[in-house]
Order: sequence, then structure tokens, then C-alpha cells
Amino acid sequence: AQTVTQSQPEMSVQEAETVTLSCTYDTSESDYYLFWYKQPPSRQMILVIRQEAYKQQNATENRFSVNFQKAAKSFSLKISDSQLGDAAMYFCAYRSAFGNYQLIWGAGTKLIIKP
Amino acid sequence: GAVVSQHPSRVICKSGTSVKIECRSLDFQATTMFWYRQFPKKSLMLMATSNEGSKATYEQGVEKDKFLINHASLTLSTLTVTSAHPEDSSFYICSAAGGYNEQFFGPGTRLTVL
Repeated sequence: AQTVTQSQPEMSVQEAETVTLSCTYDTSESDYYLFWYKQPPSRQMILVIRQEAYKQQNATENRFSVNFQKAAKSFSLKISDSQLGDAAMYFCAYRSAFGNYQLIWGAGTKLIIKP
Repeated sequence: GAVVSQHPSRVICKSGTSVKIECRSLDFQATTMFWYRQFPKKSLMLMATSNEGSKATYEQGVEKDKFLINHASLTLSTLTVTSAHPEDSSFYICSAAGGYNEQFFGPGTRLTVL
């Protein structure tokens, strides 16, 4: 069975600085997707970034980028130029390329932005 | 992006009553819908997966007679919490998938059982 581990329950960063959130996963599959979701205080889940395992290039979305290390089964999220609106819970999730879209979730990391 | 609505956003009910939560995909056909429960400061816990026109598949430990799920159409799934008790108080989130490589999430429903 696949598992997702986020070892940082909480992280804090000064506004405008860069922070990296860690995520590792375990799977025997070779084809899958990895996601970072943001859950602000409103509790609406928002997709931040997605990575297809078959792609070697790391995904980027504006200030958000990932460091995808397939062999190490690591998928970290880097947030550059942190803004107050980035304060939220961040969840890493895994989805097999096969099956019914089911996500395996990490425990989450609470990101605090210091003004 | 695809939009998923959830209604109601908040509900307070008395112990012993039943509560229905609706989840709708507004601009796409959702072949699969998921229901999650989330405790404060915790991750999402999958309760069940439903496919349109089929019986829901419940995760281990989830009482199917208490949490009734119906996925009657490609745009609507409902979760009914039957004979609710205070321990059922929680935040419930639905998501929908179909034709895209991701799930789209509703805004959630906060259930409080008195």
C-alpha cells in the first residue's frame, strides 16, 4: 500500500522569504501523480501544483515549485517570496495512474507567515 | 477550473435526527465522487467512494448504515448522516473526479450535532 509522509507538522517563514515543505512517499508503482494542496482557514482545498511521475522536469506554478526526486521518493514544495496569503495547511497527496482517482494524503504541514 | 458545490455549508441538528449533505459538480460530469471527514488540524480521512449508478465503497471502519451515500447522477452525490450523535460532529468534504487527472473539492460542510 502507498503511504505519504510529511514530517514537518509546522513551519514558519518570514514574509518575502523562501520556505520548503517536505514530503516523502512510498510506492511500488512506476506511474503516478503527486499533488500539493493548500487548505486556508476557509477550509476550501486548493490545488497548488501537480507532478506526473513520468516527467523528469519539476513542475512550477508562479512562486511555487517542486523538487521531485523519483528514486528517493521525495516531493518537496518550495514557496518563493512568501506572502501572508500563503498561510495555510499544506497537504501532499499521491494518486496512482490507474484506478479511480483516489488520493493518499500526508498528515499536513501548517505554514505560518511572519510579517 | 471545474467547480464543485456543497450544501449546506453549516448545519446544526439535534441528536437522533438525520442530515443530508449535497455535493454537485457544476460544470463537468463526475463519474466518481469521494466523501471525506476532517477533524480539526488533521488530514482528510476518506469515508467512501461512489461511482454514478453504483453502490458506494466504504472505507474500513465507516458505518455504511450511518453514512448513506447516493450517487444518483453524474452531477450529484448525497451523504446522509442518519440518527446523528454528537460524535458525528465534524467537517465533511466532498470531491468529484471525471475526465481530469485530479479531484475537485467542494467547500465543505460543518456539522454540529447537539
